[in-house]
Amino acid sequence: DAGVTQSPTHLIKTRGQHVTLRCSPISGHKSVSWYQQVLGQGPQFIFQYYEKEERGRGNFPDRFSARQFPNYSSELNVNALLLGDSALYLCASSPRPGDGLNYGYTFGSGTRLTVV
Amino acid sequence: AQSVTQLDSHVSVSEGTPVLLRCNYSSSYSPSLFWYVQHPNKGLQLLLKYTSAATLVKGINGFEAEFKKSETSFHLTKPSAHMSDAAEYFCVVRGLGANNLFFGTGTRLTVIP
Repeated sequence: DAGVTQSPTHLIKTRGQHVTLRCSPISGHKSVSWYQQVLGQGPQFIFQYYEKEERGRGNFPDRFSARQFPNYSSELNVNALLLGDSALYLCASSPRPGDGLNYGYTFGSGTRLTVV
Repeated sequence: AQSVTQLDSHVSVSEGTPVLLRCNYSSSYSPSLFWYVQHPNKGLQLLLKYTSAATLVKGINGFEAEFKKSETSFHLTKPSAHMSDAAEYFCVVRGLGANNLFFGTGTRLTVIP
């Protein structure tokens, strides 16, 4: 079975541009979460989606948005990119939101975004 | 508020010697705690979890952790380090009433041959 897949693996963008990152959860998993990992730090929670609805949001500006599709895949969008948005963006899936919190998430390998 | 503090940013051990990665937690209630490992260019992998059952938790690859409420600690140990254990390790606490996890800053484990 395929794990959590993220695309692209690497991306370079210029300040002020927009970026879209994609995530496909494990088959059967309906909950997707997004995390930002800045170099040298632990991941920080951005969003969680379940059944196409937002179930949680971290302390990130409105430039960050996400959505989930009927097939449970998800997109993370970031507008007006700043240098500080450079990070590894991780997607995590679980069957339901509580499953990941209680039993652990399955993470993808991430998308490394560099803003220049 | 929930948070974790990883006391060492970098730990170096010789192959075959014990591993100790330290984590203290802060929580206003009985926490759910996790250890995740991150190998270079790979996703985070769950090592073990504590969810108010047994205080000594056994995980994958020979790792275990002990929940000590009196010390607010959840240290990760392994009796004998292997070269493949070299990675970044994160102590994690579940957020209260929120669908998220709070990660520590990580401990990089180096294993010397």
